[in-house]
Amino acid sequence: AQRVTQPEKLLSVFKGAPVELKCNYSYSGSPELFWYVQYSRQRLQLLLRHISRESIKGFTADLNKGETSFHLKKPFAQEEDSAMYYCALGTTSGTYKYIFGTGTRLKVLA
Amino acid sequence: EAEVAQSPRYKITEKSQAVAFWCDPISGHATLYWYRQILGQGPELLVQFQDESVVDDSQLPKDRFSAERLKGVDSTLKIQPAELGDSAMYLCASSLAQGGAGTEAFFGQGTRLTVV
Repeated sequence: AQRVTQPEKLLSVFKGAPVELKCNYSYSGSPELFWYVQYSRQRLQLLLRHISRESIKGFTADLNKGETSFHLKKPFAQEEDSAMYYCALGTTSGTYKYIFGTGTRLKVLA
Repeated sequence: EAEVAQSPRYKITEKSQAVAFWCDPISGHATLYWYRQILGQGPELLVQFQDESVVDDSQLPKDRFSAERLKGVDSTLKIQPAELGDSAMYLCASSLAQGGAGTEAFFGQGTRLTVV
C-alpha cells in the first residue's frame, strides 16, 4: 500500500529550539519525497524535495530508505515557521501522483 | 509570478443541489489535479488529468462527481447532488510534467464547500 504517515498532529516548540517533524512512508517503488508547507491564509507550497538535497529557510530533510523516513529538521525554530506541514510521496511507477500525509501543525512559541 | 486560479473561494449549497468548481492551471502545465481536503486531514486525490485525458480517477465518487478538462487547459469539477459529507476544501494543483525528478505541484487557494 502507498501511504504517508505523520504521527504528530501538533508540535509545539519554543523559539530557538530544534524542530523535527516526522514522516514515514510505505511504497514498494522508488520514492520521491516532498515537504509542503501552508502558512496561515496562504496556499499550500513546496518547501523542499529530497532529490535536490537543498536547505530551504534552514530546513533540511534526508531520505532514509532503510527506515522509510523523510523527517524534516531545523536546528533553531523561528516564530515565522509556525504553519501546517505536509509530507508527500511521489509515486514513480505507473501514473505519477502525490500522496499526502495528514499534516503536522507546528507552533513556535515566543 | 504565475499562479493556479480557483473559483469560487467559498460556496454554500443545500443538500441535493448541484455545485461546480473551476480551476485555471499555470500556463503550460500539462498535469492537473483535483484534491479534496477534509478538516484535519491531508489532501486526497480525486482526479488527475494529463492534458485533456483523465489518467487517474480511482478515488472519484463517479455516481455524483464529474470532472472535465475539455481543451487541456482549465478544468471544472462538479458535484450533483451534493451531500452533507461533501463539505470540504477542494484544491486544484498543476505541474509541468507528469512527475519525475522532483516535479513540483503548484496549488490554488482552494474552494471551501459547505453543504447545509
